[in-house]
Amino acid sequence: QVQLVQSGPEVKKPGASVKVSCETSGGTFDNYAITWVRQAPGQGLEWMGYIIPVFGTTNYAQNFQGRVTITADKSTSTAYMEVSGLTSVDTAKYYCGRVVRATARPLHYYYYIDIWGKGTTVTVSS
Amino acid sequence: SYEVTQPPSVTVSPGQTVSVSCSGDNLGDKYVSWYRQEPGQSPVLVIYKNNERPSGIPERFSGSNSGNTATLTISGTQAVDEADFYCQAWDSSSLVFGPGTKVSVL
Repeated sequence: QVQLVQSGPEVKKPGASVKVSCETSGGTFDNYAITWVRQAPGQGLEWMGYIIPVFGTTNYAQNFQGRVTITADKSTSTAYMEVSGLTSVDTAKYYCGRVVRATARPLHYYYYIDIWGKGTTVTVSS
Repeated sequence: SYEVTQPPSVTVSPGQTVSVSCSGDNLGDKYVSWYRQEPGQSPVLVIYKNNERPSGIPERFSGSNSGNTATLTISGTQAVDEADFYCQAWDSSSLVFGPGTKVSVL
């Protein structure tokens, strides 16, 4: 059974960077994208970006462009998400998810996250 | 950028049917997924491709999508269904989440 195993909780000072990992256990991430989603305390899900590891292609949400970097190591089936210039607003739980792309009909695709990691709590505090 | 909206909360009595809406411009032209999230837990996929249920999701969960609104329906709601529900679409190579709806079973 495929699982996404995320790294442990982090505590960082304002202005620092944090790098969170997400290992695909029990399988590879060939043919999938890995996405990252932020959830601040008591708030909803906020899409950050994704990577298609087989191509190395990335796409970021406008709110995170320039401050978030998503990478992947195909040899270990592990994706990484790094946030720089942390502020208190970045205190949140960060989830990785496996994105499935399927064909509904020619040139029409649908996308969904079929597997989620357990989340990594990042606390930004001085 | 594309946005979708959801009601903040809905309330249902046990055994009754509840619907959660997700609205966006021409949302019916896109494919919508729904996720359920309990406090402190990761989201779980309950509906994909508008109305498909992953294995293991009870039949009481169903979905539809037409016009500007997608709808998640829970029939015969049980106390265990109390959770936050998020809709998700795809637009311009980006995932879009709704703000979430808290379903309360009272």
